[in-house]
Amino acid sequence: ETGVTQSPTHLIKTRGQQVTLRCSSQSGHNTVSWYQQALGQGPQFIFQYYREEENGRGNFPPRFSGLQFPNYSSELNVNALELDDSALYLCASSFPSGGTTGELFFGEGSRLTVL
Amino acid sequence: AQSVSQHNHHVILSEAASLELGCNYSYGGTVNLFWYVQYPGQHLQLLLKYFSGDPLVKGIKGFEAEFIKSKFSFNLRKPSVQWSDTAEYFCAVNARGNKLVFGAGTILRVKS
Repeated sequence: ETGVTQSPTHLIKTRGQQVTLRCSSQSGHNTVSWYQQALGQGPQFIFQYYREEENGRGNFPPRFSGLQFPNYSSELNVNALELDDSALYLCASSFPSGGTTGELFFGEGSRLTVL
Repeated sequence: AQSVSQHNHHVILSEAASLELGCNYSYGGTVNLFWYVQYPGQHLQLLLKYFSGDPLVKGIKGFEAEFIKSKFSFNLRKPSVQWSDTAEYFCAVNARGNKLVFGAGTILRVKS
């Protein structure tokens, strides 16, 4: 167990809808990263939050957005869902570092299916 | 852009066989290198990491990896695999900034 919890574990949406995924980071970690893992591929970096601010973003459109709360938990929001958004969404927390990425502690993911 | 290439997508071995999973990355500067493992039904977890120093790093469960800078490689090895090593293995690189770039993964199946 990593202490990183994600919800929901599975969900089904239709094209054009919006989704919010949630993540509670491991105790003591103030940095949260989100990754998208499509079937048969490795995780791809979406963005990272450090002290409630976005601290780096991958190659994802603006309809992917996030928040981090004072307790370091985080949300990933995806608007105007497309079929290709179907994937496992992984949250990872890390030790206080802010910049350099060291070891990430992953949750079990939220599997999103878009119909 | 950084990229990571894992040579084999599926590997099948018998117990006690030796394992080597290839990983190459594309970035010419200083890198941090990782191998993560995902056992069936479990979350991704760190197997080992290289930041600096001895290029041969040892991880959990008897795994080791060697960083060869001239070859941009970070291959994972284990002398004798067990059935419990059945999992998906991901190589990842952090060159700068705050993101990890992952390879596509290698699914290892160990036959008992």
